[in-house]
Amino acid sequence: EVQLVESGGGLVQPGGSLRLSCAASGFTFSSYSMNWVRQAPGKGLEWVSYISSTSSTIYYADSVKGRFTISRDNAKNSLDLQMNSLRVEDTALYYCARANGSGRYYFDYWGQGTLVTVSS
Amino acid sequence: EIVLTQSPGTLSLSPGERATLSCRASQSVSSSYLAWYQQKPGQAPRLLIYGASSRATGVPGRFSGSGSGTDFTLTISRLEPEDFAVYYCQQYGSSPFTFGPGTKVDVK
Repeated sequence: EVQLVESGGGLVQPGGSLRLSCAASGFTFSSYSMNWVRQAPGKGLEWVSYISSTSSTIYYADSVKGRFTISRDNAKNSLDLQMNSLRVEDTALYYCARANGSGRYYFDYWGQGTLVTVSS
Repeated sequence: EIVLTQSPGTLSLSPGERATLSCRASQSVSSSYLAWYQQKPGQAPRLLIYGASSRATGVPGRFSGSGSGTDFTLTISRLEPEDFAVYYCQQYGSSPFTFGPGTKVDVK
C-alpha cells in the first residue's frame, strides 16, 4: 500500500525557516517524481514544487522560487522541502504527492498533509 | 502560465442527478495533460481522472472526463451521497502545474 506521511510543520514567525519531510513507503520511491502542493485554510490547491526521480529536474512555483528548496534522498525514501524567508501567505497545509505517468505526471497518491502557520 | 477557470463555482444537486463540471484553460493543454481531483472536508485530494478521460484505479464508472485543447468536462452520471465534495482540475503538461479554483458540488 502506497503511503506518504508528511512531518515538520508548525508555527514559525515571518522571516523564519522550516523543513518539511515526507516519508514514502509501499512503492519504489526512486522510480517516481514527487511534488509538494499546499492549501491555505479554506482555499484551493496550489502546486509548490516538483522533483524528478533522480533530482535532475526541479521546478518551483514563482511564489516560492528563491525561498524554498526541494530535495530527496532515495536511499531513505524521503522527500524534503526547506522553506526559508517564510511569509504570512505561506500559511497552509502542505501535501506531498507522488507523480505518475509517462512524460508528464499527474498526482496519483497524496499524503494527509502537515500544517505550516506563519505568524508573529 | 496556464490559468484554469472552473464553472460553476457551486453546483447544487440532488442524489441521483447528473453533474457536469467545466474546466477551461487560458491556452491549449498539451496532449490533454488534464487531471481531475476530488476533495472532501478534512481529507487529501483524490485523483479521479488523468489524461482528460482516463479513470484512475478504483474510481467508479459514473465518473467520466472529456475534452481537449482548452475545454474539459467532468461528468458524474448519477450522484451518490459520497460524491458531494469539491472538484479541482489541474494541468500537468507544463510547469507551473496549475490547479483550477474548484467546483463545490453540494446537496440541493
